[in-house]
Amino acid sequence: GQNIDQPTEMTATEGAIVQINCTYQTSGFNGLFWYQQHAGEAPTFLSYNVLDGLEEKGRFSSFLSRSKGYSYLLLKELQMKDSASYLCAVRRRAAGNKLTFGGGTRVLVKP
Amino acid sequence: DTEVTQTPKHLVMGMTNKKSLKCEQHMGHRAMYWYKQKAKKPPELMFVYSYEKLSINESVPSRFSPECPNSSLLNLHLHALQPEDSALYLCASSQGAPRMNTEAFFGQGTRLTVV
Repeated sequence: GQNIDQPTEMTATEGAIVQINCTYQTSGFNGLFWYQQHAGEAPTFLSYNVLDGLEEKGRFSSFLSRSKGYSYLLLKELQMKDSASYLCAVRRRAAGNKLTFGGGTRVLVKP
Repeated sequence: DTEVTQTPKHLVMGMTNKKSLKCEQHMGHRAMYWYKQKAKKPPELMFVYSYEKLSINESVPSRFSPECPNSSLLNLHLHALQPEDSALYLCASSQGAPRMNTEAFFGQGTRLTVV
């Protein structure tokens, strides 16, 4: 089995930076994904890390430390439209193409 | 085309009804998934198809029956559901083996209400 933990909610101000942490315990780690999900909509892919380090993609960056079982998603220059749930998901090598999601972090961006 | 299309978008069904959810993708993906998502909860995996064969069944009750007629289509047949089965049902696809380390693309989901 695996445990994937992330904070339930975070609030930040428009234009600011927010960091969403995700910790996981799993065997056969084979990649970590971050998805964004607006209420009532499908999850949309943001980033993927399989090696240690930082992946930057525009205003969003994701970091992975496999030895610590830790990842974060960094959202810069927050916009109101960034208010959404952010889902951390872990893929296991031993489980085929299985992707297991953490509980999600609801981010509320305030003016 | 990076789209996964699900129909219908909304479905209301009685506990004695039989209905089907449909999912289609034309990205050449060989792995397709069904997830169930309750309000304010993360998606929970139900089934995985890899190369049109069922590879993972997460101990889903038999009132849910998946079917993969071809590499582009995935169905979920529903029969004798319970009100607690009401949820958003998400279909997803990814490239699959050997390129397993690719992201999954999700459809918009079917909002199912069982009355």
